[in-house]
Amino acid sequence: ILNVEQSPQSLHVQEGDSTNFTCSFPSSNFYALHWYRWETAKSPEALFVMTLNGDEKKKGRISATLNTKEGYSYLYIKGSQPEDSATYLCASHPNFGNEKLTFGTGTRLTIIP
Amino acid sequence: EAGVAQSPRYKIIEKRQSVAFWCNPISGHATLYWYQQILGQGPKLLIQFQNNGVVDDSQLPKDRFSAERLKGVDSTLKIQPAKLEDSAVYLCASSLDFYEQYFGPGTRLTVT
Repeated sequence: ILNVEQSPQSLHVQEGDSTNFTCSFPSSNFYALHWYRWETAKSPEALFVMTLNGDEKKKGRISATLNTKEGYSYLYIKGSQPEDSATYLCASHPNFGNEKLTFGTGTRLTIIP
Repeated sequence: EAGVAQSPRYKIIEKRQSVAFWCNPISGHATLYWYQQILGQGPKLLIQFQNNGVVDDSQLPKDRFSAERLKGVDSTLKIQPAKLEDSAVYLCASSLDFYEQYFGPGTRLTVT
């Protein structure tokens, strides 16, 4: 993996269902992985910053896991709600002290009431 | 704490016209970034400032784009002249340390 890749590109989920999506990143030259939620007409909002292999973070109904050896992270949303509709971006942070983030193209999530 | 402010929020111009975007970062944040997000792509870093000095502008199309950060606070990004392919959302972000970036709401530019 040379770039940061996200899948799927878009997703429609029924309200109340759980869902997950993937971020793949270069496993070499890795320092941190960021997840952002970007609602239409709002600022991208930081969800998680993850650095350690096996890291698992949780914020309410949203959680994320990290595998730095194979270069992937999963984002899970449990019991989807309409307010979860947004684009979810991940970004790879390659070096300690290097602030340059490389973003994936995002997963656009739509919750169907 | 006030967030990153950007203006205008939306702008429609014709090709070959000029446009400028403004960003006010979070108070005390030394580092400021401008990103370009074209529909269907992830945000791409255009330029990074540390105080009022440029750290990275390797992906800034310097023949038409310019940016400045006077006094190490506010920043402006200018496009002159605009092309159709410049249609995008322009995001400004700031950070206190190298670790976490805080984004503004962006300016959506449409070039017709």
